[in-house]
Amino acid sequence: ETGVTQSPTHLIKTRGQQVTLRCSSQSGHNTVSWYQQALGQGPQFIFQYYREEENGRGNFPPRFSGLQFPNYSSELNVNALELDDSALYLCASSLYTNSYNEQFFGPGTRLTVL
Amino acid sequence: QKEVEQNSGPLSVPEGAIASLNCTYSDRGSQSFFWYRQYSGKSPELIMSIYSNGDKEDGRFTAQLNKASQYVSLLIRDSQPSDSATYLCAVSFSGFQKLVFGTGTRLLVSP
Repeated sequence: ETGVTQSPTHLIKTRGQQVTLRCSSQSGHNTVSWYQQALGQGPQFIFQYYREEENGRGNFPPRFSGLQFPNYSSELNVNALELDDSALYLCASSLYTNSYNEQFFGPGTRLTVL
Repeated sequence: QKEVEQNSGPLSVPEGAIASLNCTYSDRGSQSFFWYRQYSGKSPELIMSIYSNGDKEDGRFTAQLNKASQYVSLLIRDSQPSDSATYLCAVSFSGFQKLVFGTGTRLLVSP
């Protein structure tokens, strides 16, 4: 069984730039969720993708956008980067059901905005 | 009021002791409850999930859920130094896949 993978591991950008982060879901899973984790905080839900459509969104501005591909992999795009966007970005994959919601995280992408 | 609350710690226990980690949540519609372990610089790892009132045991870990009190806990028996990490409590609602996390409790197990 292949686990969740993310790329790149680390990224350094400057304010105003754009960034794309990538995630491959665990085999057998069809749903990808993205979270932002600031230092010393719990992960914050950004959005979730199921069947290539956004299936719920947290309190993040529109400059955070995403995609899901037919193979269930996903991208997170962030435009007009701000200093506060510096964080660990986590992708979690799961199998969509109405009852259970076990989500498994990838290793994360550490984004630093200078 | 925060949706999911945890004591930030650190909680210090000696090796071999029982570590008790607690979490309260505000939304009575919550249906699924999870404990994740996060080592410094790493991503969260799912260690326990619980969906109904009562206890659920898996090896040295026991999760306890009390929906009436809106309380979920994690017990770690025979604590080991390798258990030293931050433990995150997460909650979600049935049919909506968003996980809401607490800020985590840092556990330190001393040899």
